[in-house]
Amino acid sequence: AQTVTQSQPEMSVQEAETVTLSCTYDTSESDYYLFWYKQPPSRQMILVIRQEAYKQQNATENRFSVNFQKAAKSFSLKISDSQLGDAAMYFCAYRSAAYSVSGGGADGLTFGKGTHLIIQP
Amino acid sequence: DAGVTQSPTHLIKTRGQQVTLRCSPISGHKSVSWYQQVLGQGPQFIFQYYEKEERGRGNFPDRFSARQFPNYSSELNVNALLLGDSALYLCASSYGASRTSNYGYTFGSGTRLTVV
Repeated sequence: AQTVTQSQPEMSVQEAETVTLSCTYDTSESDYYLFWYKQPPSRQMILVIRQEAYKQQNATENRFSVNFQKAAKSFSLKISDSQLGDAAMYFCAYRSAAYSVSGGGADGLTFGKGTHLIIQP
Repeated sequence: DAGVTQSPTHLIKTRGQQVTLRCSPISGHKSVSWYQQVLGQGPQFIFQYYEKEERGRGNFPDRFSARQFPNYSSELNVNALLLGDSALYLCASSYGASRTSNYGYTFGSGTRLTVV
């Protein structure tokens, strides 16, 4: 079974600064997907960024980028120019790519315990 | 276009009772997954349904069951409620059941269940 570990229960950063959230995972699979989700107090999980394991290039979405180190099984999220609206819980998640329509299996996400990000004005 | 909608938003039940939670996926999405998020933890996978069939189940007891209807909406049922079932229950929808769903899932805002 896969596991996802987020070792930082809470992080604090000054507005406009850069912060990096850590995530490590354990899997025996070679093909999978990794995600970062944001959960504000509204409770809805919002997809921030995704990474396919077979792609070596790190994903980037505006101020959000990842550092994907496949050999080290590390998937950190960097938030540049932090804004007050970035304050939320951030969850790292893993999904196997072994799932297929014909092959069956579940398409469930495995989440870490989350990192609470505080933005100081 | 409406997002994933869940009802009710909050619910209080007594131990031993049964509860039904509802989820309507985004129009065109055929896959619905359910997650349980206990306070202070990340969500845990309960079920996935695709085209009205169960495609997988997480490590949850048989008290938890679900179904998906022809319009792709879904219900999660929990019988014989325990205090430990108190949690936020999240529904997520995606278009398909292949690599196309690597775009991630769209989550609803959840149902907060409190068991007393």
